[in-house]
Amino acid sequence: KAGVTQTPRYLIKTRGQQVTLSCSPISGHRSVSWYQQTPGQGLQFLFEYFSETQRNKGNFPGRFSGRQFSNSRSEMNVSTLELGDSALYLCASSPAGGLAGVNEQFFGPGTRLTVL
Amino acid sequence: DAKTTQPNSMESNEEEPVHLPCNHSTISGTDYIHWYRQLPSQGPEYVIHGLTSNVNNRMASLAIAEDRKSSTLILHRATLRDAAVYYCILRGSMDSNYQLIWGAGTKLIIKP
Repeated sequence: KAGVTQTPRYLIKTRGQQVTLSCSPISGHRSVSWYQQTPGQGLQFLFEYFSETQRNKGNFPGRFSGRQFSNSRSEMNVSTLELGDSALYLCASSPAGGLAGVNEQFFGPGTRLTVL
Repeated sequence: DAKTTQPNSMESNEEEPVHLPCNHSTISGTDYIHWYRQLPSQGPEYVIHGLTSNVNNRMASLAIAEDRKSSTLILHRATLRDAAVYYCILRGSMDSNYQLIWGAGTKLIIKP
């Protein structure tokens, strides 16, 4: 089974631009979560999608948004980029059926975003 | 939201057992305890999880205190490839929509 894939792997943008990152979950997984990882803040939860609906959201400004398609693929968008948005953005998928607390998350390699 | 506390770093010798502690004194009755690790330049990788009973898998063992306020990840025979940051995480209850709440993790250094 193929793992979680994220595209692109590396991205350089300038302040004020917007960016869209893509995540393809493991086949059959319906839950996709997004995380931001920075040296100073560690791993921070952005949001989770399940069956095309946002199920939970972390404490990030409205510039960060996401969506999930019917095939479970997900995208996240960051508008009006700031220098502080430079980070590794990780996507994780999970079966998320039934008692979700028992389900492990499978992470992709991440997209390294640099904002200049 | 329940939080976890872990030592910032630990060192161990290769081929010796490693015990990584985690405190989660505010854990709720429905929170699962998950462990992940992150090798350099990679996304986190699932290691093990449990609720109340001790758990074993091919990678590690998880020992959970009777009051569930702490747990210990046990690597039975550490190798250089086990050098990583280990995260102890509580998988939230239905109230928090099952999101994972990540702490700072423990950087495990393996000495040859």
